Amino acid sequence: GEDVEQSLFLSVREGDSSVINCTYTDSSSTYLYWYKQEPGAGLQLLTYIFSNMDMKQDQRLTVLLNKKDKHLSLRIADTQTGDSAIYFCADPAGDRDDKIIFGKGTRLHILP
Amino acid sequence: GAGVSQSPSNKVTEKGKDVELRCDPISGHTALYWYRQRLGQGLEFLIYFQGNSAPDKSGLPSDRFSAERTGESVSTLTIQRTQQEDSAVYLCASSLSGGNSYNEQFFGPGTRLTVL
Repeated sequence: GEDVEQSLFLSVREGDSSVINCTYTDSSSTYLYWYKQEPGAGLQLLTYIFSNMDMKQDQRLTVLLNKKDKHLSLRIADTQTGDSAIYFCADPAGDRDDKIIFGKGTRLHILP
Repeated sequence: GAGVSQSPSNKVTEKGKDVELRCDPISGHTALYWYRQRLGQGLEFLIYFQGNSAPDKSGLPSDRFSAERTGESVSTLTIQRTQQEDSAVYLCASSLSGGNSYNEQFFGPGTRLTVL
């Protein structure tokens, strides 16, 4: 069945880059997503990448996609305290993109 | 409203009781999803609706769980004979449509269920 795996915890120093990795099993998706869940707040879409792209950059965020290895990563440059959150990788199950499988989430902790 | 709303925001119940959780999606969103998030855990997919039908119920944990949607709008998730293991935050999300298109899910604030 469909599965999305990601490490559960990442700790980085303020100002450093954070890299959150994800592997997925269903490769027929048109898009892949990163969602962010801040403390006490709901889940929100952070960014997404079209499956025929290798890289997408959006200000401090860089998404890298390796379709051969089914590996997705999210890089946050110059990590700030406000980036503390849980980051979820999400892969639609099948080519209709109706059902999205979320990973367990990576909790990003910022060290002063 | 502007976003997805859920009620109640908190529910404390005794083991064995039935509970009903409600989700009001964004108007016009045809797809609606239910997830469960246990404390410190990730999102667990439960069920999703396309219109009023649920093509995929594979995530429902047991036959104590059921969900329905009416008028392509509000949805209710019912848990019968609640168990302590049902304690979690239940999240609802909606999106415009499926198909091969960018499909952002908009999440509600969740219902925190505590089973004593």
